This record gives sequence, structure tokens and C-alpha cells, in this order.
Amino acid sequence: GQSLEQPSEVTAVEGAIVQINCTYQTSGFYGLSWYQQHDGGAPTFLSYNALDGLEETGRFSSFLSRSDSYGYLLLQELQMKDSASYFCASPRSSASKIIFGSGTRLSIRP
Amino acid sequence: DTAVSQTPKYLVTQMGNDKSIKCEQNLGHDTMYWYKQDSKKFLKIMFSYNNKELIINETVPNRFSPKSPDKAHLNLHINSLELGDSAVYFCASSQSGQTYLSPQYFGPGTRLTVL
Repeated sequence: GQSLEQPSEVTAVEGAIVQINCTYQTSGFYGLSWYQQHDGGAPTFLSYNALDGLEETGRFSSFLSRSDSYGYLLLQELQMKDSASYFCASPRSSASKIIFGSGTRLSIRP
Repeated sequence: DTAVSQTPKYLVTQMGNDKSIKCEQNLGHDTMYWYKQDSKKFLKIMFSYNNKELIINETVPNRFSPKSPDKAHLNLHINSLELGDSAVYFCASSQSGQTYLSPQYFGPGTRLTVL
């Protein structure tokens, strides 16, 4: 299978922490990427986990557990500008191809 | 000094017409892509080129024809446009064709509306 499952919507409060989950069923798995897309904008790369564990980049962290076929994006100290759609994506090694999840729309309330 | 640029940003046209979208990257990347994002924001790869050579051609109607004159450019020509072609088309590039080694950089997108 090549699907990546993530929640369609998540709502959080400004200043809080939110976790966006992604489960995958991808053969030939080589890691999990995360992309952010604001309304009307282009997807932008956030992070990539090739190995199990936590990768931290400022307020954003990404986690991968290969044994559980699961990963998440953690956003801390939420700001209104973090309101966007977040996509998990799985690179495929057999070709120059990435499979994207259906995206999670994050809405932040003051 | 835009990294990946596309033209036009908006394209409104009638069913049955032929149109082209142009893409250029100045990052020196080897691989370029076309993606289609539908109204539900589902992002799906259409084509991938590595050093001007087609390496991925997903199940896309043959009305869609990519062309890469050099590794910095990847254009998309669409013949006989249909209503279902309405979407946002993104061009992207990456340093390597091995997608697990390098992130993808996306252009600003072209919103195509077919009437």
C-alpha cells in the first residue's frame, strides 16, 4: 500500500502545543517528510525523519517510529501564523517520487 | 532571486482549448516535477524529470505533455482542456532524484480554471 493517513482538521489555541499524526502503509519506506502550506501558497519543506526518533527545528519537531509505522509533527508555542495545512509525505526510493498524505488543516484560536 | 518560478499564476480558459504553463528553477537542481492539487488539497505527482529525462509519468491523460528544454526548465502543455483539469498545478525541484535525500522546493502554483 502507498497510503498515508492523517486527520483532516485540528484546532488549537495560540501559545499551546499541538501534535499532528501520520500513519503510513508504504512499502519501500525511506522516511517521513513534513510540508506546510498556507492558503493560496505553495508547500514548503519543514522536516525529514529517516530514522526513528525526534528531530527538532525551533518550535517544530518531528518524530518517527518505524516499528509502529507512525510519525507526528509537534508544533510548540503556537502562533496565529502557524494556521495552515500540514502534509506528511513519504519518499519512494524506486523512483523520484513522493507520496503525500491528504493534509491536516490546523486552525488556531486566540 | 526566486528559487522556483511559474507562469502564469492564474489561467482561465474555455473547455477544449490548449494551454501551457512554464516553470524555471535557479537552484541548480537536477530533478523537476509537476504536481496537481485538487479542490480538496490532495497533492499528486504527475511527472518527474531528471536532467531533462522523463523518469516518472503517473497515470495522467496523454493530453498532458511535459517538456524539459534544459534541466532548469520544465513546461507543461495541456491539450483539449476539460472541466476536470481545473486545479492548482505546482512545479517543484529537488537537488537529487533520490527523493529521500533531498527536499522538494515548490513554485508558487498556477491556478487553472476551465469554464
